Amino acid sequence: QQQVKQSPQSLIVQKGGISIINCAYENTAFDYFPWYQQFPGKGPALLIAIRPDVSEKKEGRFTISFNKSAKQFSLHIMDSQPGDSATYFCADRLNRDDKIIFGKGTRLHILP
Amino acid sequence: GAGVSQSPSNKVTEKGKDVELRCDPISGHTALYWYRQRLGQGLEFLIYFQGNSAPDKSGLPSDRFSAERTGESVSTLTIQRTQQEDSAVYLCASRITGTTYEQYFGPGTRLTVT
Repeated sequence: QQQVKQSPQSLIVQKGGISIINCAYENTAFDYFPWYQQFPGKGPALLIAIRPDVSEKKEGRFTISFNKSAKQFSLHIMDSQPGDSATYFCADRLNRDDKIIFGKGTRLHILP
Repeated sequence: GAGVSQSPSNKVTEKGKDVELRCDPISGHTALYWYRQRLGQGLEFLIYFQGNSAPDKSGLPSDRFSAERTGESVSTLTIQRTQQEDSAVYLCASRITGTTYEQYFGPGTRLTVT
């Protein structure tokens, strides 16, 4: 079964540091590659997404980098803050019928 | 506007009982997804509805699980003869046609099977 592989599973970063989370996919029918953010007790929410014809997209402190040839994309959080502590998921669209699967998540903890 | 709502927010049931979980998507959202999230784990795809097309049931873990959706409205996920391994948060998400990557999630239903 096709998978979306995230790494690391968990990450601890000092306040002000850079958090980096990676995602590798197998095959995709996605027109955008998204990262979702989930706080405890809440449903995930779209954080940022990138088109595959773009190598990087920045929104505030959040940046997605996309490497199409390697089938990987990553999330960089600059100047990480305690409020960024959450679980982050990447996703893939498996086919044109829009079945969307998620990675296993990365639990990020920012030390104050 | 209103987001995706799910009910109940919490459900405790005894092993062997049936449960029904409800999802109210955002009005106008044609696609609806159900996911299961076990404690500390990722999002496990269960089922996907798109308009009046046949649903993609490929993620349902067993025949004890079923889901229905009437048109583009409410969906219900039913688990029959619940088992302890069914304990998880069940999340519903909806989206509009054309934005495949942007799903709007509800807060989930936390199911505990004792």
